[in-house]
Amino acid sequence: GAVVSQHPSRVICKSGTSVKIECRSLDFQATTMFWYRQFPKQSLMLMATSNEGSKATYEQGVEKDKFLINHASLTLSTLTVTSAHPEDSSFYICSASPGQSSGNTIYFGEGSWLTVV
Amino acid sequence: GDSVTQMEGPVTLSEEAFLTINCTYTATGYPSLFWYVQYPGEGLQLLLKATKADDKGSNKGFEATYRKETTSFHLEKGSVQVSDSAVYFCALRHTGFQKLVFGTGTRLLVSP
Repeated sequence: GAVVSQHPSRVICKSGTSVKIECRSLDFQATTMFWYRQFPKQSLMLMATSNEGSKATYEQGVEKDKFLINHASLTLSTLTVTSAHPEDSSFYICSASPGQSSGNTIYFGEGSWLTVV
Repeated sequence: GDSVTQMEGPVTLSEEAFLTINCTYTATGYPSLFWYVQYPGEGLQLLLKATKADDKGSNKGFEATYRKETTSFHLEKGSVQVSDSAVYFCALRHTGFQKLVFGTGTRLLVSP
């Protein structure tokens, strides 16, 4: 079946630095990918919709200059957390769909744990 | 706005016990409802879904019925196994949209 892969699965970075998380669709093309964040004991919250070849669409309250999203190809979207702070420590997960051909089935990556120290 | 409320975990059960994980939702219109499961170290996987009222989704022995009158979609399994230990997420999605609204997730721990 369709697979979405994220990398890295865990990352620790120093406060003030930037960290990039990759989301790849391994066996299908995805014009749209989604980035979610989950804080402990809270829901998965949609951060932004990543659109291939155009700017991402951010949810209300998400800082677009802090969470940079690049969807440069039909199989890769990246999320860069810039000038990371400890409060950015969270679980980040992406999703993608092959589209109507799959009945709009959504596939998720394994998620990435970010710890900012 | 739309929201999904799940029972807090962890839920700890012995093997072969009966499982219920409660899920209620608030939404305009008639969304589709989903249960996703996340096994340790893996991504979320679709477990089952229901697209309209009174539909029952089922998979791997798990069942959930779309109850419009109580706005609920409780997950049940008659006899859990150790391999069912995972985090379970209830979610909703409106037709034609890919955005999912999730509950907080409920961790299930099944002991032998």
